[in-house]
Amino acid sequence: ELKVEQNPLFLSMQEGKNYTIYCNYSTTSDRLYWYRQDPGKSLESLFVLLSNGAVKQEGRLMASLDTKARLSTLHITAAVHDLSATYFCAVAYNFNKFYFGSGTKLNVKP
Amino acid sequence: DTAVSQTPKYLVTQMGNDKSIKCEQNLGHDTMYWYKQDSKKFLKIMFSYNNKELIINETVPNRFSPKSPDKAHLNLHINSLELGDSAVYFCASSPPWTGSNVLYEQYFGPGTRLTVT
Repeated sequence: ELKVEQNPLFLSMQEGKNYTIYCNYSTTSDRLYWYRQDPGKSLESLFVLLSNGAVKQEGRLMASLDTKARLSTLHITAAVHDLSATYFCAVAYNFNKFYFGSGTKLNVKP
Repeated sequence: DTAVSQTPKYLVTQMGNDKSIKCEQNLGHDTMYWYKQDSKKFLKIMFSYNNKELIINETVPNRFSPKSPDKAHLNLHINSLELGDSAVYFCASSPPWTGSNVLYEQYFGPGTRLTVT
């Protein structure tokens, strides 16, 4: 079974700081996803990364993918309180079997 | 609105009961999923249906039975509920697979919080 490991599991940071969330996976995969989940809410798709070296950016979030290292990163630049949420990476296998990481709970303090 | 919808949003029931959760999507998608999110927020795929056919059945107790009457609906029936079934259950859907370069996103429903007492 494909394993997806995220770290850190918890991240408390000050506004204005930068940080990176890491997502490692165990087996070659088709695609890598990043989702955001606010407390008590559903999952919101942030990024889909398809190929080695893919980089996508939206606002203060930037995601990248290194398929050789089986590693994806979600970089947060100059964090703001509105980014506080739980972030999940997920890896797709055989196009429709999705394995999720444990999630990173991000708390951005004013 | 186009979306993935689930009913009910909250479900509180006693051990031993049988309950169902319904999911509908009006996005025209071919594939639908059920996920379980436990109290530690860990998300695990349970089932996936493609065009009403079961294609993924993870190691889920056979008390859980999905049913897909048509492409737009995937219901989850749970027999003999146990305390450990308490979780949030998410339905999701995704479009037809057309090739490896397609983004192929999943769209999640709002979730059903099941509490077994």
